[in-house]
Amino acid sequence: EPEVTQTPSHQVTQMGQEVILRCVPISNHLYFYWYRQILGQKVEFLVSFYNNEISEKSEIFDDQFSVERPDGSNFTLKIRSTKLEDSAMYFCASSPREFIPYGYTFGSGTRLTVV
Amino acid sequence: SQQGEEDPQALSIQEGENATMNCSYKTSINNLQWYRQNSGRGLVHLILIRSNEREKHSGRLRVTLDTSKKSSSLLITASRAADTASYFCATDANNDMRFGAGTRLTVKP
Repeated sequence: EPEVTQTPSHQVTQMGQEVILRCVPISNHLYFYWYRQILGQKVEFLVSFYNNEISEKSEIFDDQFSVERPDGSNFTLKIRSTKLEDSAMYFCASSPREFIPYGYTFGSGTRLTVV
Repeated sequence: SQQGEEDPQALSIQEGENATMNCSYKTSINNLQWYRQNSGRGLVHLILIRSNEREKHSGRLRVTLDTSKKSSSLLITASRAADTASYFCATDANNDMRFGAGTRLTVKP
């Protein structure tokens, strides 16, 4: 069964450093998403991406964040200067089309720890 | 922004018992989905119910949707220790999903 792959599974970084979280969506999917979950809290929407541009972003997705689909297969989330409060699980998801009759497909997440 | 809000926040039951989790949301939706997350792991899609459906079954799962009350329930029957996880509802409109805070279910053997 096709799956969304995220790497690395766990990343530890120093505060102020840049991190890039990588995702390989399902190959024929067109819509891509990033979500995050701070430990013990709810899953929060960050950004959606379609046709090589951001279609929607939340208030969490400030100037420190950026997304890119550099080569047609990877979908990356960059945090420019990490803060302690960026520590969370980050989930990538993809979907084949705009209306989703059977849900998105999520990756297993990257645990980001900022120290 | 619309979000599903689950209750209870935490639920602890004995193996074999049924577990019921509820979700409320604020605005009109296309569909509502339930997800499961084992601690520290990814989200697993359980079931989707469309806005024109009232009830749906999948194995030991039963989901109901009441659009007039903007609420949904997830029933897990004959629970097992392996059902221990967090369960989230997610509402879907305009190509974005918003999640609630989740219900932490503990099933004791």
